[in-house]
Amino acid sequence: SQQGEEDPQALSIQEGENATMNCSYKTSINNLQWYRQNSGRGLVHLILIRSNEREKHSGRLRVTLDTSKKSSSLLITASRAADTASYFCATDNTGNQFYFGTGTSLTVIP
Amino acid sequence: DAGVIQSPRHEVTEMGQEVTLRCKPISGHNSLFWYRQTMMRGLELLIYFNNNVPIDDSGMPEDRFSAKMPNASFSTLKIQPSEPRDSAVYFCASRLTGDQPQHFGDGTRLSIL
Repeated sequence: SQQGEEDPQALSIQEGENATMNCSYKTSINNLQWYRQNSGRGLVHLILIRSNEREKHSGRLRVTLDTSKKSSSLLITASRAADTASYFCATDNTGNQFYFGTGTSLTVIP
Repeated sequence: DAGVIQSPRHEVTEMGQEVTLRCKPISGHNSLFWYRQTMMRGLELLIYFNNNVPIDDSGMPEDRFSAKMPNASFSTLKIQPSEPRDSAVYFCASRLTGDQPQHFGDGTRLSIL
């Protein structure tokens, strides 16, 4: 499979704690994107990081990218119950192909 | 600005029937994607179009599946004949250019009995 792999598959934390999710991929990329999916809904784009960038912030989100290790991480700080969702990484690779990871299911306990 | 619109939201039909899923992308977006999501296989890219032209259909499972994009504001995904293993949530997404994120519709939940 050319899909990315995400780790962990499931994560359960208390409100206020930080959540970290990791994504590994296999091919050279143009950019890597993180998406969120609430139950029964479509995916919503969170943040895009280009292959020449190493870190990016958006509100409570922090994304890092290590192209030498073909990996990325998503950090959600000061989590809230409303952050409960599935989170996916997606790679836009240099062959004009687009692959989603297997996802991390995050539960934030109030 | 309206998002990606998919119809129907839910479809239940008997195996052997033809199923047509519809998608209206965001106006001005150049690329359109069809995905299938199941518990077993996750989110799979079926096909994508650039400027209404199919670019990569390597994810289309078999000849029973076909997709068209007759104009920039409409696309269909057709399954004929449908089988129970086609049951899944099908998503359509569009994006402006290659360096932009994809915008997803809310999906069509398809059940083949």
